[in-house]
Amino acid sequence: NAGVTQTPKFHILKIGQSMTLQCTQDMNHNYMYWYRQDPGMGLKLIYYSVGAGITDKGEVPNGYNVSRSTTEDFPLRLELAAPSQTSVYFCASSYPPLGRSGSPDTQYFGPGTRLTVL
Amino acid sequence: AQTVTQSQPEMSVQEAETVTLSCTYDTSENNYYLFWYKQPPSRQMILVIRQEAYKQQNATENRFSVNFQKAAKSFSLKISDSQLGDTAMYFCASSGGSQGNLIFGKGTKLSVKP
Repeated sequence: NAGVTQTPKFHILKIGQSMTLQCTQDMNHNYMYWYRQDPGMGLKLIYYSVGAGITDKGEVPNGYNVSRSTTEDFPLRLELAAPSQTSVYFCASSYPPLGRSGSPDTQYFGPGTRLTVL
Repeated sequence: AQTVTQSQPEMSVQEAETVTLSCTYDTSENNYYLFWYKQPPSRQMILVIRQEAYKQQNATENRFSVNFQKAAKSFSLKISDSQLGDTAMYFCASSGGSQGNLIFGKGTKLSVKP
């Protein structure tokens, strides 16, 4: 049971390039999230998914896209990378939030991807 | 909007001593969970402790305990017998984000000194 895995761990991207951050979970969680963490800040939600085929925007979605073709995978796509997207990116998964299934809201995080855009 | 506030950007404690990290939150939810996550230099987000808002009893996990004051919307973390391995960023978070996400504070950097 690996939990939530992310690749790559580090990456340097040039301005205008595109790339995909990978996220996979093996806990059969329906809910998956992408957060970004900027220096000195907490995590902010980029996109989330409540199940395969269903995604929606979070607080800071501009410049990103996601897809969810399977329960396990939730890749994050950066198009036309900009220096403002330099950040650490975390993927997380959980059971449905409190109130919708009675399960706790504990989210399990991947190890993060440190992305630098130059 | 829901918010989580950590008013101590940095703290330090001597090894084996006790330290308390502060957190206040604001939520309109009737039922919610509160969390403390630890982020060591490896960047991994590690769940330290979780509190269910409808439970009056404070959660404890070995050397970690919380002081949950629901009326005051306060959720502090106490670390007893601090160890060098406790050195990390600590984030307070609440459930109840509109998309099922967690709402995070800005973190407190804790240094445990030998």
